[in-house]
Amino acid sequence: ELKVEQNPLFLSMQEGKNYTIYCNYSTTSDRLYWYRQDPGKSLESLFVLLSNGAVKQEGRLMASLDTKARLSTLHITAAVHDLSATYFCAVDGGGGADGLTFGKGTHLIIQP
Amino acid sequence: DAGVIQSPRHEVTEMGQEVTLRCKPISGHDYLFWYRQTMMRGLELLIYFNNNVPIDDSGMPEDRFSAKMPNASFSTLKIQPSEPRDSAVYFCASSSGRPNRKGNTEAFFGQGTRLTVV
Repeated sequence: ELKVEQNPLFLSMQEGKNYTIYCNYSTTSDRLYWYRQDPGKSLESLFVLLSNGAVKQEGRLMASLDTKARLSTLHITAAVHDLSATYFCAVDGGGGADGLTFGKGTHLIIQP
Repeated sequence: DAGVIQSPRHEVTEMGQEVTLRCKPISGHDYLFWYRQTMMRGLELLIYFNNNVPIDDSGMPEDRFSAKMPNASFSTLKIQPSEPRDSAVYFCASSSGRPNRKGNTEAFFGQGTRLTVV
């Protein structure tokens, strides 16, 4: 059974600081996804990481994937209040679009 | 494209009643997924379809849950009879399953249906 673990599950930080969210998964997979969810809203796709060593950046967010360690990170640089949300990582359990297994999410609060 | 469209956005029903949730995937997407989100269990995959055919329904919690996809542009998730523990947000998502020009194969989510069973 594929398991996806995120940590921390809750993070409160100040604007301007840097931090990293970690996502570990239990079985081999070469597709990892990061989603953002605002309260009461749907999930917004942030990054898709498809190969070992993949790194993608969008604004203050940068995601990376190490398939050997079965680890992905989401790094936040110089956080701003607008980044407050819950961030989910998800792993594709099969060779194709076989449905995603999600981590429990990291609830991120960025305080002015 | 308007994205994945779900209806209703909110549903409040009494225990024992039948509930039907609806989803219209993004045109051209071959895969359709139903997820359930609760505080206790997070996001769980219930069932997914490929080309309108159910592929994996191992996440469907009980026989009270059923899902259909009669055509490429419509799917339903039905709960009969509903119970209070079914209260959750139900998301539908669709995916092309094939990488786009950016190499992405992500699933796109609808706005969700917040179901409350009292």
